[in-house]
This record gives sequence, structure tokens and C-alpha cells, in this order.
Amino acid sequence: DTAVSQTPKYLVTQMGNDKSIKCEQNLGHDTMYWYKQDSKKFLKIMFSYNNKELIINETVPNRFSPKSPDKAHLNLHINSLELGDSAVYFCASSQGIRQGGDEQFFGPGTRLTVL
Amino acid sequence: GESVGLHLPTLSVQEGDNSIINCAYSNSASDYFIWYKQESGKGPQFIIDIRSNMDKRQGQRVTVLLNKTVKHLSLQIAATQPGDSAVYFCAEVPTSGTYKYIFGTGTRLKVLA
Repeated sequence: DTAVSQTPKYLVTQMGNDKSIKCEQNLGHDTMYWYKQDSKKFLKIMFSYNNKELIINETVPNRFSPKSPDKAHLNLHINSLELGDSAVYFCASSQGIRQGGDEQFFGPGTRLTVL
Repeated sequence: GESVGLHLPTLSVQEGDNSIINCAYSNSASDYFIWYKQESGKGPQFIIDIRSNMDKRQGQRVTVLLNKTVKHLSLQIAATQPGDSAVYFCAEVPTSGTYKYIFGTGTRLKVLA
């Protein structure tokens, strides 16, 4: 019954490694997002896909590459991990991108720790 | 630049009392505002939203007030319960540009027994 799911929940890795986080939503939504939440709880949008098309690409290092194989999935691949990448990464989805609001549903988060 | 901020990083409230969490936003072009609740170890969860053509909206035990003149948003929680303990975020959605949420820095609500 999980609406937005992410794997893994915890990820501990060494600097310089490449890792991926997967996200799936079973809500039938068209739009998916990746957010980064730092140690101070600040939540910032990184990417957004609408119908598998990239529509938001904030100022994020190109070591981060999102991939959307279909509308229900949005994965995040990170190359050459750095200490500053340590954070909690949240996936979210919404029905669409209507101006005036479309509620976003968040996944449980993936806590990434880079050593 | 764009910013959404909160006046109080931590708010402690006695169980049963009312809570008020405040938020200031800077983009006068925003027309949609949302409050999210994030419990420890979980993702943010939608609480209530309000559009810019409204001043007030009520939900179950929660009320959101919007003052566009001073660009201020507040979340009122009636009869605060221990389960309300969490970090609360406000977010705004500007009318121009790509549709996205701009989140504030969050307020931690602690409910005292």
C-alpha cells in the first residue's frame, strides 16, 4: 500500500564511490521529484520529471543524474560521492504541475552517509 | 532572492494548548502555500494548503492564515497533542517560472506533557 517508496533507506559509502537511489510511486502520478534535506532540515528541490521529461534541474553538480524509465519510477545516480553529499534524499510525486498547486506526496527518505 | 523563512526554530507547547507556527515568505507572486509535517525518520506529510485568493482555511484541528499584505503565513494547531510533535515546514509555489515548491527552514514543535 506504500504510495511512494524508496530504496535503500540507509546508504553508507566511501568517498569517490558511485551509488544509486531508487524511487517508485503507485499513485498513477505524472510528476516525480528529488529533494535533498541537509543536516539543518533544509529541504531543497533538485530535479523534477513530468511524464518522463526533465522539467526542473536546479543548481546541482552534474555528478547527480536522475533517470526516469517510466512515469512510476525516478532513480537518482550519484557519481564520485563527496562528503558534502551526505544528507537525506526524498523522492516525491504529484498528479501534475498545475499552477496553483498539486499536492506532493513524499517517500520515507534515503539517508546517505559518505565517509 | 526567493526565500521562505520561519521566525521560531523551536516551539515548546503544553499539551492541550494551542500552537501557532509562523512563516514569512518573500515572493509576492506566489499563489499557493502549503504546510507539511515531518515526524522523526519520516518524509514530509501534507497538512493543509491555501491559495492566495483566500485569507483563512480550516482543517481538522488546524487552521492556516494568509496575510498577503505582510507576506506572512501561519499554522494554528488547536489542542496540541503529543502526536503533533514534529518539524513543520511551510512552502510557497510562485506563479511564474517552473512549478516547484520553495520550502522554509522548518520549525520544531515540542509538545510537553
